[in-house]
Amino acid sequence: GEDVEQSLFLSVREGDSSVINCTYTDSSSTYLYWYKQEPGAGLQLLTYIFSNMDMKQDQRLTVLLNKKDKHLSLRIADTQTGDSAIYFCAESPFSGGYNKLIFGAGTRLAVHP
Amino acid sequence: NAGVTQTPKFQVLKTGQSMTLQCAQDMNHEYMSWYRQDPGMGLRLIHYSVGAGITDQGEVPNGYNVSRSTTEDFPLRLLSAAPSQTSVYFCASLGQGAHEQYFGPGTRLTVT
Repeated sequence: GEDVEQSLFLSVREGDSSVINCTYTDSSSTYLYWYKQEPGAGLQLLTYIFSNMDMKQDQRLTVLLNKKDKHLSLRIADTQTGDSAIYFCAESPFSGGYNKLIFGAGTRLAVHP
Repeated sequence: NAGVTQTPKFQVLKTGQSMTLQCAQDMNHEYMSWYRQDPGMGLRLIHYSVGAGITDQGEVPNGYNVSRSTTEDFPLRLLSAAPSQTSVYFCASLGQGAHEQYFGPGTRLTVT
């Protein structure tokens, strides 16, 4: 079956790097996503990676994909207090049509001075 | 563009009552979805639509109905509310061939 797992909580000091990890089970997933949710708001797409890629970098964000282990990570460099939020990993199993998203439970990132 | 809008923001219902959560998007997106978010769980797909007149069930459809008479609107109906439907509901839309789902701000529903 399809399942996405994440640790629930991460605390980092401002200026350090944050690494949020995710494992997924569906090897047919074509795209994997990272979404950010700030308090009281909907989800916002941060970045995504195609399954034939190992790494994607976008400014302070680095996504690493290990297809063999079905492991995805999101690294945030120079973490700021504005990065405090819940981060969701999501996979998109291949369906040939609309890309349904399977979400993890979310990792709450707390950034402290 | 307003993006994806949802009304109401908050709602309290008694068990057995019915109501409709409204969702609208002004981006001419073909795909629209409803998710629910519960503590300690990720978002779960309730129903989705790939275009006007076409809807399908997601992971947790029981107790909910949808319709899509226009491209812009995708209301979610609770026919007989139950406490298990206490949750935060998000509507999302997606353009064809795109990757970014745009989420509305959510409706927080409490059923007593």
